[in-house]
Amino acid sequence: NAGVTQTPKFQVLKTGQSMTLQCAQDMNHNSMYWYRQDPGMGLRLIYYSASEGTTDKGEVPNGYNVSRLNKREFSLRLESAAPSQTSVYFCASSEVVAGGSNTGELFFGEGSRLTVL
Amino acid sequence: ELKVEQNPLFLSMQEGKNYTIYCNYSTTSDRLYWYRQDPGKSLESLFVLLSNGAVKQEGRLMASLDTKARLSTLHITAAVHDLSATYFCAVDLLIQGAQKLVFGQGTRLTINP
Repeated sequence: NAGVTQTPKFQVLKTGQSMTLQCAQDMNHNSMYWYRQDPGMGLRLIYYSASEGTTDKGEVPNGYNVSRLNKREFSLRLESAAPSQTSVYFCASSEVVAGGSNTGELFFGEGSRLTVL
Repeated sequence: ELKVEQNPLFLSMQEGKNYTIYCNYSTTSDRLYWYRQDPGKSLESLFVLLSNGAVKQEGRLMASLDTKARLSTLHITAAVHDLSATYFCAVDLLIQGAQKLVFGQGTRLTINP
């Protein structure tokens, strides 16, 4: 099992350019997430998808869009990149807890390091 | 709005010593997670605490949860250099069937020989 796979691992953009971060999981999880990590601020939730066909805003959604393409894939798009979006982006997945015996822990990808000049 | 605060944020300690990292949170939750992150790497799950009074141990690390006090602790016993990393706690807000985790700022732990 590969777990959670993100691409690309590194990207440099100029201000105003667009790009899409791709994420795929092979654990048959219902829920998927995009977080960003900045120094001293922990991880902050950008968007999440509780199940295939649904997406919702997290704590810091401005400047981003997402697509839950199918149960396996959840992409994050920056339409017009800004320097403030320089960060490390993590995709994660989990199984729904309610009514089940699973622990609900998140499994993370390796991260995508994005620099916007 | 759920706030999760860790302290200390930076911790430098000697091998062989004991120490505790604290995680306080502001809203009721029965589920708390601890993760480890090495520099430039992803987050690795350490402990899942699912109820009040839960205690988990793995090697030199022990985590506990007091939901009444809204406090979790990560205790390090007889620290070794390999435990140097950043440790995050995360509290679960189960919303619309998804695990919406709110993370603390992280505690950067450095263990010196």
